[in-house]
Amino acid sequence: EAQVTQNPRYLITVTGKKLTVTCSQNMNHEYMSWYRQDPGLGLRQIYYSMNVEVTDKGDVPEGYKVSRKEKRNFPLILESPSPNQTSLYFCASSLDLFNEQFFGPGTRLTVL
Amino acid sequence: KNEVEQSPQNLTAQEGEFITINCSYSVGISALHWLQQHPGGGIVSLFMLSSGKKKHGRLIATINIQEKHSSLHITASHPRDSAVYICAVLPSTGNQFYFGTGTSLTVIP
Repeated sequence: EAQVTQNPRYLITVTGKKLTVTCSQNMNHEYMSWYRQDPGLGLRQIYYSMNVEVTDKGDVPEGYKVSRKEKRNFPLILESPSPNQTSLYFCASSLDLFNEQFFGPGTRLTVL
Repeated sequence: KNEVEQSPQNLTAQEGEFITINCSYSVGISALHWLQQHPGGGIVSLFMLSSGKKKHGRLIATINIQEKHSSLHITASHPRDSAVYICAVLPSTGNQFYFGTGTSLTVIP
C-alpha cells in the first residue's frame, strides 16, 4: 500500500531532550516536506527536500533540523525542544513539486 | 508576504446543498492545492491545479490565475463531507507551499 508513515504518533517530552520524528514513504517520491499545524495559524512549512541530499528551509525552520540521506526517509530532528514547539506535525511527499502531496498521519508533540 | 485567504471560515449546510469554498492569494503562483482534513486529523489531497477546472466525483475545483482566486465546489453535499478544507499555493518564485487557515464545513442530515 502506498503510504507515508510517521513515528511516533504521540510524544510527550521535556524541554531540552533531543528527539527525532521519523518519516518514510514507499512511493519513490522526490519531494518531501515537514509541516506544523497550530490552531489559528494553519499549516506552515518547516523544511522541504527536492531530492536526496537537497534540503531547504521553509517558513519556520528555527529549532529544527532535517536530513535526506536516502530517498524514502526524511527525519525531523529537534535538538533542544522548547514548549513553543508543541504542535501537530505532518510529513508529506509527492512525485515532484507539481504533483499532489501524500500526507502522513501526523505526530502530536507536547514539550513540557 | 505570501497571503492565502479562505472564505468562509465556517460553513454549515443541509444535506444536498451545493457548497462553495473560496481561496484568494496575493502572489503569482505555479500551482494550487486543495486538501481535506478529516475530523480525526488526517489530511488528504483533493486537487492540484494550475489552470482551468478539475472534477472528481461530486467535487469540482476551479482556478482563475489572473484574478488570483480558486473555488472548491461540492455538489449534493453529504454529512461525510464534513471536514476542514485547506487551500495551499506554490508561488511561482519558490519551492515551498503557503496555506490558508482552512474552512470548517459541517453538513447536517
